[in-house]
Amino acid sequence: DVKVTQSSRYLVKRTGEKVFLECVQDMDHENMFWYRQDPGLGLRLIYFSYDVKMKEKGDIPEGYSVSREKKERFSLILESASTNQTSMYLCASGLAGGVSYNEQFFGPGTRLTVL
Amino acid sequence: AQSVTQLDSHVSVSEGTPVLLRCNYSSSYSPSLFWYVQHPNKGLQLLLKYTSAATLVKGINGFEAEFKKSETSFHLTKPSAHMSDAAEYFCVVSEAGTASKLTFGTGTRLQVTL
Repeated sequence: DVKVTQSSRYLVKRTGEKVFLECVQDMDHENMFWYRQDPGLGLRLIYFSYDVKMKEKGDIPEGYSVSREKKERFSLILESASTNQTSMYLCASGLAGGVSYNEQFFGPGTRLTVL
Repeated sequence: AQSVTQLDSHVSVSEGTPVLLRCNYSSSYSPSLFWYVQHPNKGLQLLLKYTSAATLVKGINGFEAEFKKSETSFHLTKPSAHMSDAAEYFCVVSEAGTASKLTFGTGTRLQVTL
C-alpha cells in the first residue's frame, strides 16, 4: 500500500511565524503535490513537484514556497504565517508519465491554525 | 482549461435507498475522471476512476459512475446507502500533459439517516 505521511495532524502557530509542513511518501513517486482544503472550495493546488529540486506553481501559490531535496520528501513553507492561511493542508503523491489517469495518493492532512 | 461542477453541496438519503451524487465536467481534451471520498478526520481515498476504457466504472464499496460525453457528466451512484457511506465526496478531472494535475469539485456531503 502507498503510504503518504505528514509530520503533524494539528498545528497552531502565531501570525508572522515561519511554518514548515513536511510530507513523506514511500512509493518512489515522481510527482508530489500540496493542496489546501477549505469548506465549500474543495481542494486547491498550491505547488507541485515533478522531480527533485523541481517545482511549479499551482493555482494559489501566494504566501507559500516549497522544497524538494529528496525524492520522497516534499516540504511546504509559510514564510510569514497569516490568519488567512488557517486551513487543512493535504499532501499527495503520484506517478509521472504525463498521462491523465495517474491517480494521486493523499496523506491524512495537517490542520493548521494561525492565531 | 478543465473544471468540475458538483451540483449539490449536500445530499441526504435514508439507509437502504439509492445514492446519486451529480458531477459535470469541462475539459479541452479527453479527460480522466475520478471520485474521491473523505471520511471525517481522514485523508482522501480513491473510489473509482474513468480512463476511457469503459464508460461504466465500478469502484469500491458498491459505488459506480457512468461517463456520458454528450452530457459532460460523471454522476456517482450506489443502489443502497449504508450508514458508513456518510462522508464528503469529490469529483475530480485530470488532463494529460499537466503532470497529472487534478482539478477538484467543491465537494458533496452525503448524510445517511436511519
